[in-house]
Amino acid sequence: EAEVAQSPRYKITEKSQAVAFWCDPISGHATLYWYRQILGQGPELLVQFQDESVVDDSQLPKDRFSAERLKGVDSTLKIQPAELGDSAMYLCASSLEGLEAFFGQGTRLTVV
Amino acid sequence: GQQLNQSPQSMFIQEGEDVSMNCTSSSIFNTWLWYKQDPGEGPVLLIALYKAGELTSNGRLTAQFGITRKDSFLNISASIPSDVGIYFCAGPNTGNQFYFGTGTSLTVIP
Repeated sequence: EAEVAQSPRYKITEKSQAVAFWCDPISGHATLYWYRQILGQGPELLVQFQDESVVDDSQLPKDRFSAERLKGVDSTLKIQPAELGDSAMYLCASSLEGLEAFFGQGTRLTVV
Repeated sequence: GQQLNQSPQSMFIQEGEDVSMNCTSSSIFNTWLWYKQDPGEGPVLLIALYKAGELTSNGRLTAQFGITRKDSFLNISASIPSDVGIYFCAGPNTGNQFYFGTGTSLTVIP
């Protein structure tokens, strides 16, 4: 069964360092989402891509976060510099026509 | 963003009992999704609903799309220990951005 692949599964980084997460969506899914989930809360949308274009990044803290999907397939989310408050689960999801979103296993980030 | 409120916030039930939870929105959705999330994992899609009034089952799970299009319900029959987790409702807005509810944490006591 097709899956959304994310790496790494876990990342520990020191504050002020740079960190990057990678996502490979389900083949053929044009829409890709990055979500952040703080423990005990539901996922919150950071950025949405349609193919290689950003559709919505209104909730992305652009002073330190960046996201790209250069060829409209896989995507990278970067944080530079990381802050303690960035500790969370970062989830990637993809969708074929916006009807259902399928999630990867996530990257658990701990900033120390 | 959209407000999706789920209730109850948490549930503690005996194995074999039935479970009901619901989700309400401040605005209309054309699709309702229900996910289950295990600790440390990403959400897994359980059921998708596409039409007001629709009732859909997936094994022991049954979900309904409320006729007002502002709510949805999830029922689990004859709960088992592996049902433990957090259940989220979600729905896409017109821009295909998925908003998630506050979650219902389920604990099943053997």
